[in-house]
Amino acid sequence: LAKTTQPISMDSYEGQEVNITCSHNNIATNDYITWYQQFPSQGPRFIIQGYKTKVTNEVASLFIPADRKSSTLSLPRVSLSDTAVYYCLVGDPASGSARQLTFGSGTQLTVLP
Amino acid sequence: NAGVTQTPKFQVLKTGQSMTLQCAQDMNHEYMSWYRQDPGMGLRLIHYSVGAGITDQGEVPNGYNVSRSTTEDFPLRLLSAAPSQTSVYFCASSYNQGRPQHFGDGTRLSIL
Repeated sequence: LAKTTQPISMDSYEGQEVNITCSHNNIATNDYITWYQQFPSQGPRFIIQGYKTKVTNEVASLFIPADRKSSTLSLPRVSLSDTAVYYCLVGDPASGSARQLTFGSGTQLTVLP
Repeated sequence: NAGVTQTPKFQVLKTGQSMTLQCAQDMNHEYMSWYRQDPGMGLRLIHYSVGAGITDQGEVPNGYNVSRSTTEDFPLRLLSAAPSQTSVYFCASSYNQGRPQHFGDGTRLSIL
């Protein structure tokens, strides 16, 4: 079971870059790392997914070191609307096996004006 | 494109009652799962399914049953509701367990 650990909360100011790190020491060889965003009273929403090195999309970047035991979600120039809970998750996209896929407790990001 | 549809959105039950939370997806996803989320906490996995006819337990399966007779539907049954089951329930689906999951809007369940 690939367990993840994240900081409980982080504060930032509008316009700053925010980096949220997730620890996943027992990540399996074929696991990918996926990040989700959740606003109050809504279901989580997919942000980004990656396997190694760096992945970037229109919303965020994901940095994964060579040992893959951690990952960092980077949000450039955050705004008030980025205030949300952010979760990281690990799993194997090619696997059909019945292995549990669990969310951690997430990181509450609060963006201040 | 409806995505993941959960019904009902809100429900109030009395202790001991049973009910079924419905979840349907129209994306032909093999992997479906149910989570519960308590105030101020993350999501905890209740049950999941990697395909029709296959289900397995998650972290907190006690008091819940699931079945997966079709690819599209994955209902969650509360056998005998207890106040400890008051929570927000989310259903999710994905191509497989490692691909990004699509979540429904949740069912807010209160048990008195």
